[in-house]
Amino acid sequence: TQLLEQSPQFLSIQEGENLTVYCNSSSVFSSLQWYRQEPGEGPVLLVTVVTGGEVKKLKRLTFQFGDARKDSSLHITAAQPGDTGLYLCAGARDSNYQLIWGAGTKLIIKP
Amino acid sequence: DAMVIQNPRYQVTQFGKPVTLSCSQTLNHNVMYWYQQKSSQAPKLLFHYYDKDFNNEADTPDNFQSRRPNTSFCFLDIRSPGLGDAAMYLCATSRDYTILGAFFGQGTRLTVV
Repeated sequence: TQLLEQSPQFLSIQEGENLTVYCNSSSVFSSLQWYRQEPGEGPVLLVTVVTGGEVKKLKRLTFQFGDARKDSSLHITAAQPGDTGLYLCAGARDSNYQLIWGAGTKLIIKP
Repeated sequence: DAMVIQNPRYQVTQFGKPVTLSCSQTLNHNVMYWYQQKSSQAPKLLFHYYDKDFNNEADTPDNFQSRRPNTSFCFLDIRSPGLGDAAMYLCATSRDYTILGAFFGQGTRLTVV
């Protein structure tokens, strides 16, 4: 069974603080994707990382793929209330339509 | 803008009354998916189509069916909704395999009364 363990499951912090969300697995993935979902909406793809060790930045968000392509992290700098939402990581493998999902991190940024 | 559109956004149905949810895409992607999502949990894949080839997940109840009459449209039919089927239903697309990510619609919130 390919599991993606996502942590923490819930995080509530003050505006301006930094945070990191982790996704870990014992399996190798061809890519790791991060999605953000607001209440009542569908997930929105933020980034896909495909190369071991890859780092991608999206404004205040930094995504990293582990060297062995088994884990990934999302770091948010100076969090803002607009970052509030459910963050989901998902792993993909070649020749497979199935995404392996983490349990999600519910993030609340308090003004 | 190219996108995935789901209708309706909110659907209320009676226990046991068949209901159909629809999804359309302008991305011209080969693959369309239906997911079920409950209370801030990860989405659960019900089935997917690669073009017209239908692929059912092993644990998807028989109560759930799907149709894809053409590249752009896909439907989710729930033959006899139960209270446990109340959830957010998400349609998604991908060009081919999901390695580069999937594109989701806004979802349909289904309530069963």
